[in-house]
Amino acid sequence: GAVVSQHPSWVICKSGTSVKIECRSLDFQATTMFWYRQFPKQSLMLMATSNEGSKATYEQGVEKDKFLINHASLTLSTLTVTSAHPEDSSFYICSATEGAESYGYTFGSGTRLTVV
Amino acid sequence: RKEVEQDPGPFNVPEGATVAFNCTYSNSASQSFFWYRQDCRKEPKLLMSVYSSGNEDGRFTAQLNRASQYISLLIRDSKLSDSATYLCVVNSGNQFYFGTGTSLTVIP
Repeated sequence: GAVVSQHPSWVICKSGTSVKIECRSLDFQATTMFWYRQFPKQSLMLMATSNEGSKATYEQGVEKDKFLINHASLTLSTLTVTSAHPEDSSFYICSATEGAESYGYTFGSGTRLTVV
Repeated sequence: RKEVEQDPGPFNVPEGATVAFNCTYSNSASQSFFWYRQDCRKEPKLLMSVYSSGNEDGRFTAQLNRASQYISLLIRDSKLSDSATYLCVVNSGNQFYFGTGTSLTVIP
């Protein structure tokens, strides 16, 4: 089945630094990838939709200058959390689809970010 | 109104019980529907797609009611390993909406 690889699995960084999270579709091409954030005991919240070769579409309330998304190829999307602060500590997950909606969406394993 | 509404639970049921979750969606033009399972501190995993005619996979049955705009998931003969959060997911165009998830704990 479709596999999405996400790295790193967890990261601890100092406040003010930037963190890059990678999301790769291993055996399929994903023209669209999605980035989510999940705070403890809350639902997954869509942050942005990443389209290969074009600018990402951000959800309301998500700062595009803080959460930089790059989707340079059909198999790789990156999310960079710039100037991270403790309130950015969360579980970040990407997902992608093979194309047919009935396949559902495959998720990466997630990245747990802790900003200290 | 939220795109997808789901009872967060928690549902605590004994082993062997049958439990059902419902989820309503607001956009009548929604095209695809799914149930995902999420274990604590893990990513969601696709449990099953939901088809108009209803579909079954072992102990799991999913149904879609377009007229009333809800989907359901029925779990029969609950196992301890079924304990997780179950998310309903609705796709409308290129947007992907999650319910808040329903927490299920199966008790020995």
